Amino acid sequence: AQSVSQHNHHVILSEAASLELGCNYSYGGTVNLFWYVQYPGQHLQLLLKYFSGDPLVKGIKGFEAEFIKSKFSFNLRKPSVQWSDTAEYFCAVNTIKAAGNKLTFGGGTRVLVKP
Amino acid sequence: DTGVSQDPRHKITKRGQNVTFRCDPISEHNRLYWYRQTLGQGPEFLTYFQNEAQLEKSRLLSDRFSAERPKGSFSTLEIQRTEQGDSAMYLCASSLGWGRSYEQYFGPGTRLTVT
Repeated sequence: AQSVSQHNHHVILSEAASLELGCNYSYGGTVNLFWYVQYPGQHLQLLLKYFSGDPLVKGIKGFEAEFIKSKFSFNLRKPSVQWSDTAEYFCAVNTIKAAGNKLTFGGGTRVLVKP
Repeated sequence: DTGVSQDPRHKITKRGQNVTFRCDPISEHNRLYWYRQTLGQGPEFLTYFQNEAQLEKSRLLSDRFSAERPKGSFSTLEIQRTEQGDSAMYLCASSLGWGRSYEQYFGPGTRLTVT
């Protein structure tokens, strides 16, 4: 069974700082990778996803993530954060073989951007 | 709003009572998922439906939990004889199909508090 680890539980940074959130997964086969974001009081929303091809994936709101297969990692980055990026970020995986394409999530990282 | 909706948004109940939650997926989405999220954790898969058929249940779903999707549209999740450990956010998600290209769209969740 697959599992996902997010090493940073809380991150505090100032506006214009760069953000990088770590995500590692454990599964020996082919995975699909996702980053979801939950803004305060809102639903989980998809930021970006990786299925195949270019390992550098660009998502909404200036976010990008890089899939490094050898490291089982899918780290999320944003060069310059804004106060509005304050949210909780979840990394998730699913596999073609997992019935129903159910998602396995990491524990989440709470990001606070100070104005 | 044509997103996934859930009702109620909040439910407070006493231990031992039964509760039922409802999820209305995005119209024409044939896949419907239930997840549970406890404080400080990412969502965990509970079960999913393909149209009206319940195709997989997590071992997290004890015998006190039952889910239905009678006409392949809305779904209900019932918890019988609630316990304090059932306190969590219950999330519903839907997708148009299965496979790599189908994103899961999440609802706002139902927060259950068992006193």
